Amino acid sequence: DAKTTQPPSMDCAEGRAANLPCNHSTISGNEYVYWYRQIHSQGPQYIIHGLKNNETNEMASLIITEDRKSSTLILPHATLRDTAVYYCIVRVPQGTYKYIFGTGTRLKVLA
Amino acid sequence: DGGITQSPKYLFRKEGQNVTLSCEQNLNHDAMYWYRQDPGQGLRLIYYSQIVNDFQKGDIAEGYSVSREKKESFPLTVTSAQKNPTAFYLCASSSIGQGSYQETQYFGPGTRLLVL
Repeated sequence: DAKTTQPPSMDCAEGRAANLPCNHSTISGNEYVYWYRQIHSQGPQYIIHGLKNNETNEMASLIITEDRKSSTLILPHATLRDTAVYYCIVRVPQGTYKYIFGTGTRLKVLA
Repeated sequence: DGGITQSPKYLFRKEGQNVTLSCEQNLNHDAMYWYRQDPGQGLRLIYYSQIVNDFQKGDIAEGYSVSREKKESFPLTVTSAQKNPTAFYLCASSSIGQGSYQETQYFGPGTRLLVL
């Protein structure tokens, strides 16, 4: 599975959009980008995933660049409850069942 | 209400003692996983199972054992051979299929293990 690079921490004002970047320059053609978040002392929560098209669901939007070497998770209107560690994971969704979690980005939403 | 439950939330282990962490899912998922998380770190895979009565070692299986007698249950035993067991333990499950949605892993709330 491809390696990902995320900034260690970010701040965002409550009500503003939070844009969390992820670099995955060695991604291969059949690898998907998954995003999870982990609120303190809880299990990781699935947010969204995509292959090459932009994706949106009730939680977030995922923007993947055309060359697929980077992506951005967008929380459109961040709230205090969005304060968490956000993990970007790149993997092929079959065969290999392991998720490789790095240290993620610690997002702090400020009142 | 579908989901993954882990118990207990906190567990204390005395030196030389084996302890068992429970993980149950009612999502009808075939695959189940155990991860360990140390403070400020990502998750590391301990064991996983794709089918009843079968399981495979992950990256850090030494000092741990598992069983998969039922599809819904995947208990993890932390043995006395695990010299540094203090950590946050997470159980996950997923379907097994050919699609990206089927293979998405869903996590339980975790068990925090502390050594006395």
